[in-house]
Amino acid sequence: DAKTTQPTSMDCAEGRAANLPCNHSTISGNEYVYWYRQIHSQGPQYIIHGLKNNETNEMASLIITEDRKSSTLILPHATLRDTAVYYCTSLGGATNKLIFGTGTLLAVQP
Amino acid sequence: DAMVIQNPRYQVTQFGKPVTLSCSQTLNHNVMYWYQQKSSQAPKLLFHYYDKDFNNEADTPDNFQSRRPNTSFCFLDIRSPGLGDAAMYLCATSTRAQDPQHFGDGTRLSIL
Repeated sequence: DAKTTQPTSMDCAEGRAANLPCNHSTISGNEYVYWYRQIHSQGPQYIIHGLKNNETNEMASLIITEDRKSSTLILPHATLRDTAVYYCTSLGGATNKLIFGTGTLLAVQP
Repeated sequence: DAMVIQNPRYQVTQFGKPVTLSCSQTLNHNVMYWYQQKSSQAPKLLFHYYDKDFNNEADTPDNFQSRRPNTSFCFLDIRSPGLGDAAMYLCATSTRAQDPQHFGDGTRLSIL
């Protein structure tokens, strides 16, 4: 299972794009990169996942580097409701378990 | 449209008094998970069921057990809660182990 590294916290102005980086240099070839977020007092919420190609859905975009050692989650127009802890994780490989790292606390400022 | 429902949201029990937390799902997912999340920490997997097959994490204390009587329900039993077991307990489900997980909003357990 890959170990992920994320900045502890980040700020973003409301309406601007939030770019959240993640390093996962030990990820194996069959492990997916997953992103979840957790708003205070709620359970984690699935955002997006990918293996090799960049992905986009209604919530966010995921950019994975060609060597797959890092990725960036992009929230194109952050709102105050996007303030949360964002977890970059991996899933797949030998154990197929989500191993949450420490996460990034994103604070969207008005 | 709640899909993974955890009751109650807040549970208080006494030191050493058994407690059961419940989780139900309307998604008909095969896999159900229990996580423990302590204050300011990330969720930590305790165990999961793939259908009726139970999979325990190696470092999950023996004090914690689980039951899954049918597809929709899963229970977490803590036989003799200690002060260190105070945490948020999260239930999640997925279609397959490699698919996105859907989480409930958790039960916050306090130990007096």
